[in-house]
Amino acid sequence: EPEVTQTPSHQVTQMGQEVILRCVPISNHLYFYWYRQILGQKVEFLVSFYNNEISEKSEIFDDQFSVERPDGSNFTLKIRSTKLEDSAMYFCASRGEFYYEQYFGPGTRLTVT
Amino acid sequence: KQEVTQIPAALSVPEGENLVLNCSFTDSAIYNLQWFRQDPGKGLTSLLLIQSSQREQTSGRLNASLDKSSGRSTLYIAASQPGDSATYLCAAPLSGGYNKLIFGAGTRLAVHP
Repeated sequence: EPEVTQTPSHQVTQMGQEVILRCVPISNHLYFYWYRQILGQKVEFLVSFYNNEISEKSEIFDDQFSVERPDGSNFTLKIRSTKLEDSAMYFCASRGEFYYEQYFGPGTRLTVT
Repeated sequence: KQEVTQIPAALSVPEGENLVLNCSFTDSAIYNLQWFRQDPGKGLTSLLLIQSSQREQTSGRLNASLDKSSGRSTLYIAASQPGDSATYLCAAPLSGGYNKLIFGAGTRLAVHP
């Protein structure tokens, strides 16, 4: 069964460093998302991406964040200068064009020290 | 603004019980609602998506209902098993949207033998 994959599973970085989180969505999906979950808190939306552009973003998704679909398979989230409060589990999700069910990846745990 | 609430926050039951998990949402102009399962430290597994035109959706021992007029959805788990132990999340899209999912805080379920 097709699934969303994410790498790495765990990333430790120092404050101020850039990180890139990678996702491979389900192959025939057209809508892509990033969510995050700070430990003990709700899952919260970051950004949605369709037709090679951002379709919606949250207040969290400021200038330090960017997304890219560099090729036909990968979808990346870049944080330019990480802060302690960026420590969270980051989930990638995708969905098809006509059915609204979102499929989530296993997540990347980002720890900023 | 969409807000999603789940009760109870935690539930501990003996194996074999039938369970009802509740989800309420403030904005009933939704196109669908999705239920997820999350195991500790893991990703989100989609269990069911109910379209606004449906009242119920079934998958195995799971049955989800949706009542838009009252702003409620329930997830019914029949004959619970220890393997059902996990956190169950419901998520509703932002009003009129197909993208941004708003998550509840979840119900943490423990099924003991």
